[in-house]
Amino acid sequence: ILNVEQSPQSLHVQEGDSTNFTCSFPSSNFYALHWYRWETAKSPEALFVMTLNGDEKKKGRISATLNTKEGYSYLYIKGSQPEDSATYLCAFLKNAGNMLTFGGGTRLMVKP
Amino acid sequence: DGGITQSPKYLFRKEGQNVTLSCEQNLNHDAMYWYRQDPGQGLRLIYYSQIVNDFQKGDIAEGYSVSREKKESFPLTVTSAQKNPTAFYLCASSRAGVRHNEQFFGPGTRLTVL
Repeated sequence: ILNVEQSPQSLHVQEGDSTNFTCSFPSSNFYALHWYRWETAKSPEALFVMTLNGDEKKKGRISATLNTKEGYSYLYIKGSQPEDSATYLCAFLKNAGNMLTFGGGTRLMVKP
Repeated sequence: DGGITQSPKYLFRKEGQNVTLSCEQNLNHDAMYWYRQDPGQGLRLIYYSQIVNDFQKGDIAEGYSVSREKKESFPLTVTSAQKNPTAFYLCASSRAGVRHNEQFFGPGTRLTVL
């Protein structure tokens, strides 16, 4: 079973703070890396699908970078808002398969 | 509205009974997936299907069965052989493969076996 690690497990920040967290995955046989946001009582929603080393993607105040050679991706949130409170999941796709391996998630809580 | 529906939201069953969880999508997606979440753990793949009448085991398929007779439906049966069935179950779908395509998730079913 593949090892996909996310850190930290949880994070408390004040409204307006910028924050970032990490997803680590095997650097061999990389095919894709997904990020999802999962708010309480809702379904997980996709943020980014990343496939190329050095890729940077942005959606509003949220951005992500990808380093496939060293096996990590960073997710950044600029100027956190209470509505950003959620669990952020990354998922690794190996080779040409269709099985995503999810990390344990980072739970973000933004205090007003 | 297009989306994925799972029913019921909460399900209680006695130990030793089989139970089937429903998953329907009207997104016209080819691929569908079943995940399980346990407290403190990430999502783990149970089964997936890339096309009608075909499906593959995920990482934790033992004690589960699926069928894919229609494109829009992918029911999951939790059998009595599953040793620890109490968990939160999520269904997802995607266009073809997930290399470039995000997954869309349903609202989940929380199964409690008494």
